[in-house]
Amino acid sequence: GENVEQHPSTLSVQEGDSAVIKCTYSDSASNYFPWYKQELGKRPQLIIDIRSNVGEKKDQRIAVTLNKTAKHFSLHITETQPEDSAVYFCASPNQAGTALIFGKGTTLSVSS
Amino acid sequence: ETGVTQSPTHLIKTRGQQVTLRCSSQSGHNTVSWYQQALGQGPQFIFQYYREEENGRGNFPPRFSGLQFPNYSSELNVNALELDDSALYLCASSLSYSSYGYTFGSGTRLTVV
Repeated sequence: GENVEQHPSTLSVQEGDSAVIKCTYSDSASNYFPWYKQELGKRPQLIIDIRSNVGEKKDQRIAVTLNKTAKHFSLHITETQPEDSAVYFCASPNQAGTALIFGKGTTLSVSS
Repeated sequence: ETGVTQSPTHLIKTRGQQVTLRCSSQSGHNTVSWYQQALGQGPQFIFQYYREEENGRGNFPPRFSGLQFPNYSSELNVNALELDDSALYLCASSLSYSSYGYTFGSGTRLTVV
């Protein structure tokens, strides 16, 4: 069935370090891979996404890489700051393309 | 440009009761999708409404139902509430029935006691 697995579930880093969160997906036809950031008590917000026709996309300190052969995609945050502390979710579309299947989330804590 | 708004923000209901949650989609968006987010979990797809018709449903029982109105706003109704229905309910609007470019609302926190 359709599934997105995300790890690690928690990640603690020092300010300035890099953080990497990894996801795997099951549907080889998936072609869209967004990442959402959810701060405590707030809505999930799209921070970056990638389509299947590219292998990497960057936006300032964040980047997403995609390996379609292995069905993996990863979020990379460089020079982490305390305000990066949040829960991060990866997602990919269901087979019908009408909904997103989310991973279980990674709680990132950045300490100063 | 207006964002996605949901009401109410918080709600406490008793087991067995019924509840209606509301969502106004972002200006120009004709599709609304509803998600349930249990504590410590990722959002789970309930259903989607596109041009006033249900256009896909997740693994939720029929007591979860919805509506979309001509102005593209939407309601989520849950009958016979159970304790496990306690969650954050999120709606997301988008330009079409695809899952690209979701804008989420702030959610309704439902507690069933």
